[in-house]
Amino acid sequence: KAGVTQTPRYLIKTRGQQVTLSCSPISGHRSVSWYQQTPGQGLQFLFEYFSETQRNKGNFPGRFSGRQFSNSRSEMNVSTLELGDSALYLCASSLSGGSLYEQYFGPGTRLTVT
Amino acid sequence: GNSVTQMEGPVTLSEEAFLTINCTYTATGYPSLFWYVQYPGEGLQLLLKATKADDKGSNKGFEATYRKETTSFHLEKGSVQVSDSAVYFCALSPTGNQFYFGTGTSLTVIP
Repeated sequence: KAGVTQTPRYLIKTRGQQVTLSCSPISGHRSVSWYQQTPGQGLQFLFEYFSETQRNKGNFPGRFSGRQFSNSRSEMNVSTLELGDSALYLCASSLSGGSLYEQYFGPGTRLTVT
Repeated sequence: GNSVTQMEGPVTLSEEAFLTINCTYTATGYPSLFWYVQYPGEGLQLLLKATKADDKGSNKGFEATYRKETTSFHLEKGSVQVSDSAVYFCALSPTGNQFYFGTGTSLTVIP
């Protein structure tokens, strides 16, 4: 069974631009979560989608948004990029969310904002 | 609020040494607790978990016990190998759909 895939793996953008990251969950998984990983802050929860609905949201500004499609694939968008948005963005999928179900992480998208 | 505090790294050990990585948490209610491991260039993998007080999670020689009285979930391994070199993250989930991670502890095992 294929794992969680994220595209692209690396991105370089300029301040003020916007970016869209993509995540394809494991087949059959309906919950997708997004995290931002930085050396100083560690992993911070961005949001979680289940059946095309945002079910949980972390403490990030409205510049960070996401969506989920009917095939459970998810996209994350960051508008008006800032230098501080440089990070590794991780996507995780699980059968239906919930701590009883293991989250499977993708390799991440490394975003660099210059 | 919910938060996880992990032992600062990096940690360097010789092969076959004993490993302890401390993790304490603050949470409302009764969260589930997790240890994840991240190898270079890869995403996080679940190492072990515990869903209630006094539960012991174990996997690949690693163990951690959910201690409600001390709000701790310390990771231990009796004899580390070079292949255990990675970054280890402690995490909690109070609701099941949102996870809170520690900042990670880098472990290097030297032969």
